[in-house]
Amino acid sequence: DIVMTQTPLSLSVTPGQPASISCKSSQSLLHSDGKTYLYWYLQKPGQPPQLLIYEVSNRFSGVPDRFSGSGSGTDFTLKISRVEAEDVGVYYCMQSIQLPQTFGQGTKVDIK
Amino acid sequence: QVQLVESGGGVVQPGRSLRLSCAASGFTFNKYGMHWVRQAPGKGLEWVAVIWYDGSNKYYADSVKGRFTISRDDSKNTLYLQMNSLRAEDTAVYYCARVGYSNYGTDYWGQGTLVTVSS
Repeated sequence: DIVMTQTPLSLSVTPGQPASISCKSSQSLLHSDGKTYLYWYLQKPGQPPQLLIYEVSNRFSGVPDRFSGSGSGTDFTLKISRVEAEDVGVYYCMQSIQLPQTFGQGTKVDIK
Repeated sequence: QVQLVESGGGVVQPGRSLRLSCAASGFTFNKYGMHWVRQAPGKGLEWVAVIWYDGSNKYYADSVKGRFTISRDDSKNTLYLQMNSLRAEDTAVYYCARVGYSNYGTDYWGQGTLVTVSS
């Protein structure tokens, strides 16, 4: 199974400041079709996960442009340009290049 | 809008069975694969199973293989998870989620249903 490792595991951010989460996979997520199957989700308190970013850098419908994803191969980053109060929760990266789909441990983001 | 509503969770004794349902609406159900993903209390996300859009392929996590069965009824726009021989470690919130992208990528998730395995 592909192991997904996120850092940091927790983050406390002042509103309006940037935040960054790293995700590393134990194998390359670049598929032979040319796509890289790395996703980012946010799970707000008491809610199911919601998709933020698909295939490394594509924002899902309705996701604010303060969220951006980057990376390649085995190293990926989610950036929030200016954190808002509504961004609190646990962020997960996930790979779907092969089954089983696997998730990072999660990064808990709260507001200072 | 896409809606996924799980049901069927509850408290069940170890070794017993339970069937979860996921009612889908707002999209053409028979054109999409579907996942079950679970989350133990206070823990992270664990993928459980996936079924192809046409039901032709089903895959399971090793932790549930041989005990859980994923299925779908396209006439009812409903996804199922039959869970047999339940164990305490199966206690979790179970989410259904839609395959929205190639290679199993997940877009929409339901609200989840809690399964508690306890004597």
